[in-house]
Amino acid sequence: DVKVTQSSRYLVKRTGEKVFLECVQDMDHENMFWYRQDPGLGLRLIYFSYDVKMKEKGDIPEGYSVSREKKERFSLILESASTNQTSMYLCASSYHRGTGELFFGEGSRLTVL
Amino acid sequence: QKEVEQDPGPLSVPEGAIVSLNCTYSNSAFQYFMWYRQYSRKGPELLMYTYSSGNKEDGRFTAQVDKSSKYISLFIRDSQPSDSATYLCAMGTNAGKSTFGDGTTLTVKP
Repeated sequence: DVKVTQSSRYLVKRTGEKVFLECVQDMDHENMFWYRQDPGLGLRLIYFSYDVKMKEKGDIPEGYSVSREKKERFSLILESASTNQTSMYLCASSYHRGTGELFFGEGSRLTVL
Repeated sequence: QKEVEQDPGPLSVPEGAIVSLNCTYSNSAFQYFMWYRQYSRKGPELLMYTYSSGNKEDGRFTAQVDKSSKYISLFIRDSQPSDSATYLCAMGTNAGKSTFGDGTTLTVKP
């Protein structure tokens, strides 16, 4: 079974802190994604990557950056956390770029005070 | 205007009922259509996947796509309490990015 592991299930941070969310997948998938999920807004794509050291902006990249140094690992970075970044963050991976079948991690619930 | 609109819910039905979950979309370039199920405090998991117009059945679940009307549905027959979850429709093009609906929360009461 594909496994996508997010390192932290629950985090509480203060405004202005730097936050790292780590994601690792174990199925040699080429493609990795970061979404945030908010009530009434659904899943919104923050960044994605189709290859190591490659990244592309999604629909809401402002305030975020990403790092993909190894194929299996995709990190989301909040350089200076703000209260409006309080959300559920979901990492996903896929093998086929064109099919859209995504495998999700269990999510990281971030609260910024 | 959102590219994908999903019936908002929440939906509450008795055990054994037939459930219909629905989404409409505006982007005619969408080529594949999916339904994900998300249990509370978990990530979404793929439930159904289809490319073409028509029906696809998997056990108690049927996914229906009508490309001419830009409308997709998920039907659940003989619903069970274990079906209680949030259901997300998603669709995309071969560029590889999926666009999601906001989700419909379903509760099946014993």
